[in-house]
Amino acid sequence: QSVLTQPPSVSGAPGQRVTISCTGSSSNIGAGYDVNWYQQLPGTAPKLLIYGNSNRPSGVPDRFSGSKSGTSASLAITGLRAEDEADYYCQSYDSSLSESVFGGGTKLTVL
Amino acid sequence: QVQLVQSGAEVKKPGASVKVSCKASGYTYTTYDISWVRQAPGQGLEWMGWISASGRNTNYARKVQGRVTITTDTSTSAAYMELRSLTSDDTAVYYCARGGATSGYDYWGQGALVTVSS
Repeated sequence: QSVLTQPPSVSGAPGQRVTISCTGSSSNIGAGYDVNWYQQLPGTAPKLLIYGNSNRPSGVPDRFSGSKSGTSASLAITGLRAEDEADYYCQSYDSSLSESVFGGGTKLTVL
Repeated sequence: QVQLVQSGAEVKKPGASVKVSCKASGYTYTTYDISWVRQAPGQGLEWMGWISASGRNTNYARKVQGRVTITTDTSTSAAYMELRSLTSDDTAVYYCARGGATSGYDYWGQGALVTVSS
């Protein structure tokens, strides 16, 4: 059971908008620790998609956006494309564990 | 360009130890922490631990505490993760990533598959 909870799967048609939620608690997201998001294509290492809740590294399309409120965070992907089909993970820090923690991951299927 | 290049795949017997290396290039090694993350087959990402840029500080996940040691050699810009008393549950791809416990991980190694099997 992951400290950060994500839906196991989401799906959407090309061109649509999807969101992936990441629910934490008062010892991680709710304590003010940043949420970061990663995209993992099959057979490859994770790639940083969003850092510091809502910032995109250079090279990440603005179709990807992140937000945070209270004990939860969300990743939104607009204008879905076939190449967005991947696993997505949220990550933060948990002060009660003194550990970095990941969500269980969400598989995005582009219909 | 920033690169983290890891050692190759390993096959170990239960009870053995494994040491995975991660050689960094393309940036000033002593200005960024290094973390280790593993991923069991078909499973999610699991943070294992972190070492500070200077090598003076480490912190490990409770799940592997006592069995894992992360070290760094600043003279060669390399980090190492040693895991002892291996069981089949330790079969996973092990990644090094640039960043500490409270930060995001902006660069990742290519991963090293460790298979534990009798």
